[in-house]
Amino acid sequence: GAVVSQHPSWVICKSGTSVKIECRSLDFQATTMFWYRQFPKQSLMLMATSNEGSKATYEQGVEKDKFLINHASLTLSTLTVTSAHPEDSSFYICSARDRTGPVEAFFGQGTRLTVV
Amino acid sequence: GENVEQHPSTLSVQEGDSAVIKCTYSDSASNYFPWYKQELGKGPQLIIDIRSNVGEKKDQRIAVTLNKTAKHFSLHITETQPEDSAVYFCAASTGGSYIPTFGRGTSLIVHP
Repeated sequence: GAVVSQHPSWVICKSGTSVKIECRSLDFQATTMFWYRQFPKQSLMLMATSNEGSKATYEQGVEKDKFLINHASLTLSTLTVTSAHPEDSSFYICSARDRTGPVEAFFGQGTRLTVV
Repeated sequence: GENVEQHPSTLSVQEGDSAVIKCTYSDSASNYFPWYKQELGKGPQLIIDIRSNVGEKKDQRIAVTLNKTAKHFSLHITETQPEDSAVYFCAASTGGSYIPTFGRGTSLIVHP
């Protein structure tokens, strides 16, 4: 089955630093990847849609300069949280859609970010 | 935009019982409805989905029904087991972008 790998699974960083999260599709090519944020006991909130080779489309209210998304290849998208603050602490999840397959999007295992 | 309502928020059942989770959607153009299971500290996993041209789909102990007229769809889990305990999310999306809008989730607890 389609596998999406997210790295790291957890990270702790100091306020003011930047953190990069990687999302890889291991056995398929993904023209579209999605980045979500999830607070405890809440649903997934779509942050942005990332298309290979083009700029990401951000949802309303998401700061594009703070959450930098790069989708440089058909198997890799990265989310960089710049100048992180404690309120950025959250569970970040990516998903990817197989460009040749059906419409299902497959999720990574998530990254727990804690900013201290 | 699309709005997906999901009920109940918490569901507690005894092992072997059935569990039903219900969702409603607002956009009549939505035509793809996936269900995800999320275990603690992990990403969501697709467990079953249904398209608007189908009224029901079954996969072993899991089934999903769709009523397009009423704009609601449901997840049915029979013979529940403790390992079914997790948070379940329904979602709805529209052809073209297929970007899902998620419900708020249902925490299913199966007591042994």
